[in-house]
Amino acid sequence: AQSVTQLDSHVSVSEGTPVLLRCNYSSSYSPSLFWYVQHPNKGLQLLLKYTSAATLVKGINGFEAEFKKSETSFHLTKPSAHMSDAAEYFCVVSETSNQGGKLIFGQGTELSVKP
Amino acid sequence: DGGITQSPKYLFRKEGQNVTLSCEQNLNHDAMYWYRQDPGQGLRLIYYSQIVNDFQKGDIAEGYSVSREKKESFPLTVTSAQKNPTAFYLCASSKTTGTGSSYEQYFGPGTRLTVT
Repeated sequence: AQSVTQLDSHVSVSEGTPVLLRCNYSSSYSPSLFWYVQHPNKGLQLLLKYTSAATLVKGINGFEAEFKKSETSFHLTKPSAHMSDAAEYFCVVSETSNQGGKLIFGQGTELSVKP
Repeated sequence: DGGITQSPKYLFRKEGQNVTLSCEQNLNHDAMYWYRQDPGQGLRLIYYSQIVNDFQKGDIAEGYSVSREKKESFPLTVTSAQKNPTAFYLCASSKTTGTGSSYEQYFGPGTRLTVT
Protein backbone atom coordinates (compact mmCIF):
# COMPACT_ATOMS: atom_id res chain seq x y z
CA ALA A 1 0.00 0.00 0.00
CA GLN A 2 1.14 3.50 -0.70
CA SER A 3 1.52 6.12 2.01
CA VAL A 4 3.10 9.50 2.55
CA THR A 5 4.51 11.09 5.69
CA GLN A 6 5.16 14.77 6.13
CA LEU A 7 7.78 15.00 8.84
CA ASP A 8 6.83 18.42 10.21
CA SER A 9 3.33 19.62 11.03
CA HIS A 10 4.52 23.22 11.28
CA VAL A 11 7.55 25.08 9.91
CA SER A 12 8.39 28.69 10.65
CA VAL A 13 10.95 30.73 8.66
CA SER A 14 11.89 34.37 8.30
CA GLU A 15 11.22 36.20 5.06
CA GLY A 16 14.18 35.84 2.70
CA THR A 17 15.49 32.62 4.27
CA PRO A 18 15.32 29.14 2.69
CA VAL A 19 12.31 26.86 3.01
CA LEU A 20 12.51 23.08 3.48
CA LEU A 21 9.35 20.98 3.83
CA ARG A 22 10.08 17.28 4.26
CA CYS A 23 8.16 14.37 2.80
CA ASN A 24 8.79 10.62 2.78
CA TYR A 25 6.71 8.15 0.81
CA SER A 26 6.10 4.45 0.63
CA SER A 27 5.16 2.84 -2.65
CA SER A 28 5.24 -0.61 -4.20
CA TYR A 29 5.24 0.86 -7.69
CA SER A 30 6.93 3.70 -9.50
CA PRO A 31 5.10 6.56 -7.86
CA SER A 32 3.83 9.83 -9.14
CA LEU A 33 4.43 12.51 -6.51
CA PHE A 34 2.94 15.95 -6.13
CA TRP A 35 3.13 18.99 -3.89
CA TYR A 36 -0.01 21.08 -3.46
CA VAL A 37 -0.47 24.38 -1.62
CA GLN A 38 -3.63 25.53 0.16
CA HIS A 39 -4.24 29.04 1.40
CA PRO A 40 -6.86 29.48 4.15
CA ASN A 41 -10.39 28.54 3.10
CA LYS A 42 -9.27 27.93 -0.48
CA GLY A 43 -8.93 24.93 -2.73
CA LEU A 44 -5.62 23.22 -3.44
CA GLN A 45 -3.23 24.46 -6.12
CA LEU A 46 -0.64 22.24 -7.76
CA LEU A 47 2.93 23.43 -7.10
CA LEU A 48 4.81 20.70 -8.94
CA LYS A 49 4.77 17.02 -9.90
CA TYR A 50 7.19 14.16 -10.41
CA THR A 51 6.27 11.46 -12.93
CA SER A 52 9.52 9.50 -13.51
CA ALA A 53 11.27 12.04 -15.69
CA ALA A 54 13.90 14.37 -14.21
CA THR A 55 14.48 13.81 -10.50
CA LEU A 56 14.74 17.54 -9.80
CA VAL A 57 11.37 19.08 -10.46
CA LYS A 58 10.79 22.81 -10.74
CA GLY A 59 7.40 24.25 -9.91
CA ILE A 60 5.61 27.54 -9.67
CA ASN A 61 6.57 30.47 -7.41
CA GLY A 62 10.21 29.38 -7.18
CA PHE A 63 9.58 26.03 -5.49
CA GLU A 64 11.36 22.83 -6.44
CA ALA A 65 11.55 19.27 -5.17
CA GLU A 66 13.99 16.43 -5.60
CA PHE A 67 12.93 12.81 -5.94
CA LYS A 68 15.38 10.52 -4.12
CA LYS A 69 14.46 6.89 -4.58
CA SER A 70 17.16 5.57 -2.25
CA GLU A 71 15.80 7.73 0.57
CA THR A 72 12.14 7.49 -0.50
CA SER A 73 11.94 11.25 -0.11
CA PHE A 74 10.45 14.14 -2.05
CA HIS A 75 11.34 17.26 -0.07
CA LEU A 76 10.09 20.69 -1.15
CA THR A 77 12.48 23.64 -1.14
CA LYS A 78 12.60 27.32 -1.98
CA PRO A 79 15.74 29.47 -1.75
CA SER A 80 14.06 32.56 -0.32
CA ALA A 81 10.71 32.68 1.47
CA HIS A 82 8.15 35.36 0.74
CA MET A 83 5.30 36.43 3.01
CA SER A 84 2.82 35.15 0.43
CA ASP A 85 4.24 31.62 0.83
CA ALA A 86 2.52 31.27 4.21
CA ALA A 87 0.02 28.44 3.67
CA GLU A 88 -0.58 24.71 4.17
CA TYR A 89 1.45 22.36 1.96
CA PHE A 90 0.51 18.81 1.10
CA CYS A 91 2.76 16.07 -0.22
CA VAL A 92 0.78 13.58 -2.29
CA VAL A 93 1.49 10.18 -3.84
CA SER A 94 -0.58 8.63 -6.57
CA GLU A 95 -1.54 5.01 -6.98
CA THR A 96 -0.33 4.66 -10.53
CA SER A 97 -0.99 0.95 -10.81
CA ASN A 98 -4.78 1.10 -10.72
CA GLN A 99 -7.84 2.65 -9.13
CA GLY A 100 -8.22 5.69 -11.32
CA GLY A 101 -5.22 7.60 -10.06
CA LYS A 102 -6.37 7.95 -6.48
CA LEU A 103 -4.26 10.39 -4.51
CA ILE A 104 -2.91 9.67 -1.04
CA PHE A 105 -2.42 12.88 0.96
CA GLY A 106 0.03 13.60 3.72
CA GLN A 107 -1.22 15.31 6.86
CA GLY A 108 0.04 18.69 5.71
CA THR A 109 2.74 21.12 6.83
CA GLU A 110 1.76 24.62 7.84
CA LEU A 111 4.37 27.16 6.75
CA SER A 112 4.61 30.44 8.65
CA VAL A 113 6.76 33.29 7.32
CA LYS A 114 7.91 35.97 9.75
CA PRO A 115 8.74 39.48 8.53
CA ASP B 1 -11.94 30.53 -18.41
CA GLY B 2 -11.68 26.84 -17.50
CA GLY B 3 -11.96 25.51 -13.99
CA ILE B 4 -14.00 23.91 -11.27
CA THR B 5 -16.78 25.68 -9.45
CA GLN B 6 -18.35 24.69 -6.16
CA SER B 7 -21.39 26.27 -4.66
CA PRO B 8 -22.23 27.58 -2.21
CA LYS B 9 -19.01 28.63 -0.45
CA TYR B 10 -20.66 28.39 2.98
CA LEU B 11 -23.63 26.19 3.86
CA PHE B 12 -25.52 25.85 7.13
CA ARG B 13 -27.98 23.07 7.91
CA LYS B 14 -29.84 21.64 10.85
CA GLU B 15 -29.06 18.16 12.04
CA GLY B 16 -31.22 15.53 10.36
CA GLN B 17 -31.47 17.33 7.02
CA ASN B 18 -29.93 16.10 3.79
CA VAL B 19 -27.88 18.65 1.87
CA THR B 20 -26.45 18.61 -1.66
CA LEU B 21 -23.15 20.26 -2.60
CA SER B 22 -22.64 21.30 -6.19
CA CYS B 23 -19.52 20.69 -8.30
CA GLU B 24 -19.19 21.68 -11.95
CA GLN B 25 -16.14 21.54 -14.24
CA ASN B 26 -15.54 22.79 -17.79
CA LEU B 27 -12.10 21.20 -18.22
CA ASN B 28 -13.50 18.28 -20.20
CA HIS B 29 -12.09 15.91 -17.59
CA ASP B 30 -13.53 12.41 -17.34
CA ALA B 31 -12.67 11.81 -13.69
CA MET B 32 -14.11 13.67 -10.71
CA TYR B 33 -13.56 13.32 -6.98
CA TRP B 34 -15.00 14.44 -3.64
CA TYR B 35 -12.81 14.93 -0.58
CA ARG B 36 -13.46 15.88 2.99
CA GLN B 37 -10.98 17.99 4.97
CA ASP B 38 -11.02 18.37 8.75
CA PRO B 39 -8.76 20.73 10.74
CA GLY B 40 -5.18 19.48 11.00
CA GLN B 41 -5.82 16.55 8.70
CA GLY B 42 -5.09 15.75 5.12
CA LEU B 43 -7.80 15.14 2.56
CA ARG B 44 -9.87 11.97 2.70
CA LEU B 45 -11.58 10.58 -0.39
CA ILE B 46 -15.37 10.20 -0.21
CA TYR B 47 -16.36 9.14 -3.75
CA TYR B 48 -14.86 9.25 -7.21
CA SER B 49 -16.11 8.79 -10.74
CA GLN B 50 -14.06 7.95 -13.80
CA ILE B 51 -16.87 8.12 -16.33
CA VAL B 52 -20.48 9.26 -16.62
CA ASN B 53 -23.03 7.04 -14.89
CA ASP B 54 -20.35 5.25 -12.86
CA PHE B 55 -18.78 5.99 -9.49
CA GLN B 56 -16.90 4.19 -6.72
CA LYS B 57 -16.74 4.56 -2.96
CA GLY B 58 -13.64 6.10 -1.48
CA ASP B 59 -12.30 5.67 2.02
CA ILE B 60 -15.13 7.38 3.92
CA ALA B 61 -18.28 6.94 1.79
CA GLU B 62 -20.69 6.09 4.62
CA GLY B 63 -23.39 8.75 5.01
CA TYR B 64 -22.75 10.26 1.57
CA SER B 65 -24.17 9.71 -1.91
CA VAL B 66 -23.28 10.97 -5.38
CA SER B 67 -24.54 10.92 -8.95
CA ARG B 68 -22.78 11.42 -12.28
CA GLU B 69 -25.44 12.01 -14.92
CA LYS B 70 -23.35 14.51 -16.88
CA LYS B 71 -19.63 14.72 -17.53
CA GLU B 72 -19.48 18.26 -16.17
CA SER B 73 -21.32 17.68 -12.90
CA PHE B 74 -20.70 15.54 -9.81
CA PRO B 75 -23.01 16.58 -6.94
CA LEU B 76 -22.48 15.24 -3.43
CA THR B 77 -25.34 14.65 -0.99
CA VAL B 78 -24.55 14.62 2.70
CA THR B 79 -27.29 12.56 4.28
CA SER B 80 -28.61 12.57 7.83
CA ALA B 81 -26.80 9.26 8.32
CA GLN B 82 -23.42 11.02 8.29
CA LYS B 83 -22.47 11.19 11.97
CA ASN B 84 -20.18 14.22 11.82
CA PRO B 85 -20.90 16.19 8.64
CA THR B 86 -19.38 19.54 9.61
CA ALA B 87 -16.25 19.89 7.44
CA PHE B 88 -14.67 21.54 4.41
CA TYR B 89 -15.60 19.68 1.20
CA LEU B 90 -13.40 19.81 -1.89
CA CYS B 91 -14.23 18.65 -5.38
CA ALA B 92 -11.54 17.82 -7.93
CA SER B 93 -11.22 16.57 -11.48
CA SER B 94 -8.53 15.01 -13.66
CA LYS B 95 -7.95 13.36 -16.98
CA THR B 96 -8.75 9.67 -16.96
CA THR B 97 -5.73 7.68 -15.95
CA GLY B 98 -4.36 4.70 -17.73
CA THR B 99 -2.28 1.97 -16.21
CA GLY B 100 1.15 3.25 -15.27
CA SER B 101 0.26 6.92 -15.58
CA SER B 102 -1.23 9.44 -13.27
CA TYR B 103 -2.55 12.89 -13.90
CA GLU B 104 -2.73 15.71 -11.45
CA GLN B 105 -6.07 16.69 -9.98
CA TYR B 106 -7.48 20.20 -10.20
CA PHE B 107 -9.43 21.42 -7.21
CA GLY B 108 -12.42 23.67 -6.74
CA PRO B 109 -12.53 26.41 -4.07
CA GLY B 110 -14.43 24.22 -1.59
CA THR B 111 -17.68 24.37 0.38
CA ARG B 112 -17.63 24.78 4.15
CA LEU B 113 -20.60 22.89 5.61
CA THR B 114 -21.74 23.55 9.15
CA VAL B 115 -24.42 21.33 10.69
CA THR B 116 -25.92 22.28 14.06
